[in-house]
Amino acid sequence: QQQVKQSPQSLIVQKGGIPIINCAYENTAFDYFPWYQQFPGKGPALLIAIRPDVSEKKEGRFTISFNKSAKQFSLHIMDSQPGDSATYFCAANTDKLIFGTGTRLQVFP
Amino acid sequence: DSGVTQTPKHLITATGQRVTLRCSPRSGDLSVYWYQQSLDQGLQFLIQYYNGEERAKGNILERFSAQQFPDLHSELNLSSLELGDSALYFCASSVDAGRGGYTFGSGTRLTVV
Repeated sequence: QQQVKQSPQSLIVQKGGIPIINCAYENTAFDYFPWYQQFPGKGPALLIAIRPDVSEKKEGRFTISFNKSAKQFSLHIMDSQPGDSATYFCAANTDKLIFGTGTRLQVFP
Repeated sequence: DSGVTQTPKHLITATGQRVTLRCSPRSGDLSVYWYQQSLDQGLQFLIQYYNGEERAKGNILERFSAQQFPDLHSELNLSSLELGDSALYFCASSVDAGRGGYTFGSGTRLTVV
């Protein structure tokens, strides 16, 4: 019940495409859902986050969609760029962050 | 620079040895978290300290221990090392007891040979 399931494991898109990464959870006590971006050799960096009382949040080219009834949330990257190539992790928090397994995104020019 | 400092960046040691990883949290943050990242297991939560006290424990082996000192820096001690302990170890910090986002350091890459 503490798991966060993330898909797909990897994603390849062309520049300008809109990659979508999906996550699902079971524990209804989770009340904070962040997305982290990690480049090789670096620590995860907070990208965007949402709380369950909101269905969508946008920050620049990054959008979280949240479906509380389905217990699912997703990350959309608009107008993706080669510099967005990284591993993305969803997570959920009650008293500690539980991470999904990660999605390796490659954006080709 | 995230403000969370981890040392050393790289560590190579032999099986059976003991190592200490160090973390200085971001200024003003009271909580420190330790995570292990390996290729096949993603980011696994190990342990959390809040203002010097252990707050939550995850999948931390008995061979591993941690503490947070009065100046809020933290150390993760790994003993009787095995090849399977090779991984990236991340420290993160947050201002409160953990109901929001964390700031991660750059990690310590541990290689056990």
